[in-house]
Formats: sequence, structure tokens, C-alpha cells
Amino acid sequence: DAGITQSPRHKVTETGTPVTLRCHQTENHRYMYWYRQDPGHGLRLIHYSYGVKDTDKGEVSDGYSVSRSKTEDFLLTLESATSSQTSVYFCATGGQGADNEQFFGPGTRLTVL
Amino acid sequence: GQSLEQPSEVTAVEGAIVQINCTYQTSGFYGLSWYQQHDGGAPTFLSYNALDGLEETGRFSSFLSRSDSYGYLLLQELQMKDSASYFCAVRDTNRDDKIIFGKGTRLHILP
Repeated sequence: DAGITQSPRHKVTETGTPVTLRCHQTENHRYMYWYRQDPGHGLRLIHYSYGVKDTDKGEVSDGYSVSRSKTEDFLLTLESATSSQTSVYFCATGGQGADNEQFFGPGTRLTVL
Repeated sequence: GQSLEQPSEVTAVEGAIVQINCTYQTSGFYGLSWYQQHDGGAPTFLSYNALDGLEETGRFSSFLSRSDSYGYLLLQELQMKDSASYFCAVRDTNRDDKIIFGKGTRLHILP
């Protein structure tokens, strides 16, 4: 395993509140990603980072922001949570090696009431 | 829109062989990957095809045909523990090298 942890693992929050999810890796991978997974949609890329302070948008970035101040940490922030952001969020690293292998964290289940 | 298409569900019998297909609509990519995800778990990497042809890893094999924009994952000697969702993925050079996943195929295995 690439040593990826996510916190919290579960969170219930109310509409309109800010939420921050944390991803921590110990493998010194340059690339990190945030995905959301919803039934019928598979894994959809929210944002990704290709280095400290270097981030870019994915296909479903509206309502989300990210920050990467250290190689090992990648934060995902929902600035004002909505019920449509209820989902399972996965962090991943890698994806740029010879075999494109990505390593996924255990996921965070977020419920927005 | 979605660049990778795969069946939403497949059912097979324990001990049998099953093939999960993936078709794609992007002209530039760095090969086709496959991931497995059990219920409640995280996706885990299974295989990668950079070139056309068949790659074998134990009971699992993966195939790619760039000319047909098509690939598949072949699972042999199915075991109940193979019940999971399977995703194909590409790193799309037409989308800033972003990694794009299919919607996944749920594999049901009958005893």
C-alpha cells in the first residue's frame, strides 16, 4: 500500500457549513487526486495536484477547493456544503508511473443534511 | 461526456470465466488500466495495458486493441471473492493527462 490515510472517515454535516477533508500520504508521490463516487457515476475527478501549491480542476470541481502546502497533505474543502455533495470521497496518489497505477485511500463518507 | 463505456452489471457462475468489456472514445491515452473495488472498500489496481495484446496476471488477464478502441478484463476460475465492481481507466492526453474512469461493472457471482 502507498500509505494513504483520510480523515475523517465519516462525517455528517448540515447544508451551508464548511467541511474540510484531509488526505495524507507517506510515499512522497508528486501527484494527488480527489474523487467522488456516487452510484451510477463511478469515480469522478474533483481536483488534483501535481506538486506543492500546484493544483488543477477536474470534471466536477464546482463547490470545491483544494490546497497542498506539503507534499504529504492534500486538503479538500467544501466551502458551503450542499445535499448534492453527499458522497464517498476518495483520495489517490500516483497515476504517473510507467503503469499509471493509482493508490487509493480508504475513503470518507460524507452526508450533508 | 463519458469517454469510457462498460456494462453496468455482469453475472457469472463460480468456477466459470467472465469477460468485462470497455470501449473508449478518446484518441490520445497512455494505455488502459483496470481496478477492482469491493463493497465498502477502496479501488485497487489490477492491471495495465500500454500496448495492444493480452497481459496475464494469475487468474486475471487484460486485453487492449487500440485500433478497435476496445479492451477487456478476463477473469478465470471465478471465486465468490471476485464479486466486486470493476473499473476501466485511461490517462487521457486530450484532457491534460487526467485519469478518467468508466462507471464500473458490478460482477455478481452465483454459487
